[in-house]
Amino acid sequence: DVKVTQSSRYLVKRTGEKVFLECVQDMDHENMFWYRQDPGLGLRLIYFSYDVKMKEKGDIPEGYSVSREKKERFSLILESASTNQTSMYLCASSRDIGNQPQHFGDGTRLSIL
Amino acid sequence: AQSVTQPDIHITVSEGASLELRCNYSYGATPYLFWYVQSPGQGLQLLLKYFSGDTLVQGIKGFEAEFKRSQSSFNLRKPSVHWSDAAEYFCAVGGSYNTDKLIFGTGTRLQVFP
Repeated sequence: DVKVTQSSRYLVKRTGEKVFLECVQDMDHENMFWYRQDPGLGLRLIYFSYDVKMKEKGDIPEGYSVSREKKERFSLILESASTNQTSMYLCASSRDIGNQPQHFGDGTRLSIL
Repeated sequence: AQSVTQPDIHITVSEGASLELRCNYSYGATPYLFWYVQSPGQGLQLLLKYFSGDTLVQGIKGFEAEFKRSQSSFNLRKPSVHWSDAAEYFCAVGGSYNTDKLIFGTGTRLQVFP
């Protein structure tokens, strides 16, 4: 089975801090994704990566950046955390972008104080 | 580009009752359709998927879904709901073009009463 592991289940940070969320997958998938999930808004795509060092903006990239130095690892970076970035963050991976199932991690619940 | 709508934000059923969760999509070609379930505090788990062929697809946990092209729908069903089915359910639509991404609905929260 595909396993997608997010480094933290819960994280509390302060406004203005630089925050790193880490995600690792073990199925050699080309594609990895970062979503944020908020009540009533479903999943919104922040960034995705289709290869090492390659990335594309999703629907809500503002205030975020990503890094993919190795195929199995995809990091989400909040350059200067703000309270409106308090949310559940979900990482996923898949063999293809739009026509294959995505496999999700358990999520990181991030609180910015 | 594709889009997906889940008209029901919240559904409540009694344990043992049948269930149908609605999903409507918009896409110009044959869509790739998925249903996911999210238990509280967890990530999303794939229930079933439709790519082509038989329009009635079986998934895990006793769920099934039917693709109806004429209605642009992919509704999720279960004949008899168990208390452990209480969760949030997401429909997603993808496509076959390089520019297509997986688009998720806003979810339907299912509550099950004993």
